[in-house]
Amino acid sequence: DTEVTQTPKHLVMGMTNKKSLKCEQHMGHRAMYWYKQKAKKPPELMFVYSYEKLSINESVPSRFSPECPNSSLLNLHLHALQPEDSALYLCASSPLDRGLQPQHFGDGTRLSIL
Amino acid sequence: GNSVTQMEGPVTLSEEAFLTINCTYTATGYPSLFWYVQYPGEGLQLLLKATKADDKGSNKGFEATYRKETTSFHLEKGSVQVSDSAVYFCALSSNAGNNRKLIWGLGTSLAVNP
Repeated sequence: DTEVTQTPKHLVMGMTNKKSLKCEQHMGHRAMYWYKQKAKKPPELMFVYSYEKLSINESVPSRFSPECPNSSLLNLHLHALQPEDSALYLCASSPLDRGLQPQHFGDGTRLSIL
Repeated sequence: GNSVTQMEGPVTLSEEAFLTINCTYTATGYPSLFWYVQYPGEGLQLLLKATKADDKGSNKGFEATYRKETTSFHLEKGSVQVSDSAVYFCALSSNAGNNRKLIWGLGTSLAVNP
């Protein structure tokens, strides 16, 4: 069982829609991440939040807007997406400490843009 | 810069065969090394990790040893099962302040036939 929960599991949306992806973890991790993954490719980092503050934005287009309401929740707001944005969107979390701890991933949201 | 090189797939094996997936890395300092597995239609799961030279990570019959002298972290399993069919990713984490980016290999797809 994954300890990072993502909803919805699947999402189909048109290019003019607005939707949000949600991620929740209760492991007390203070770093949270959004990734985009195409089939059988490694995940591409999009955003990193540390202590609920955005610390990394990997030059992601503004049609993706992240939000971290509290230490357990991470959202990704979507607006005016393009067909090439169809992918698996993965959320992850990790501790923030002096050790190099692994990231724990959710099962992802499979997004299709019509 | 940091990088991970992973053997190309796909790899096709018969059940009970021996598995090796090669992974070598380039990194400054003392990275942590990870193997993640992605089963069809699922997110990424941490399979095993090693945080310092000569550490051996192991889980579910899989093993990998952190070899600093050869900068390698090869994944091995003595007897694969059909249920091991998945994509395997080698990754490293290098300490960069509080933000730990994962550097990924390209992934190796494994198919195990009965």
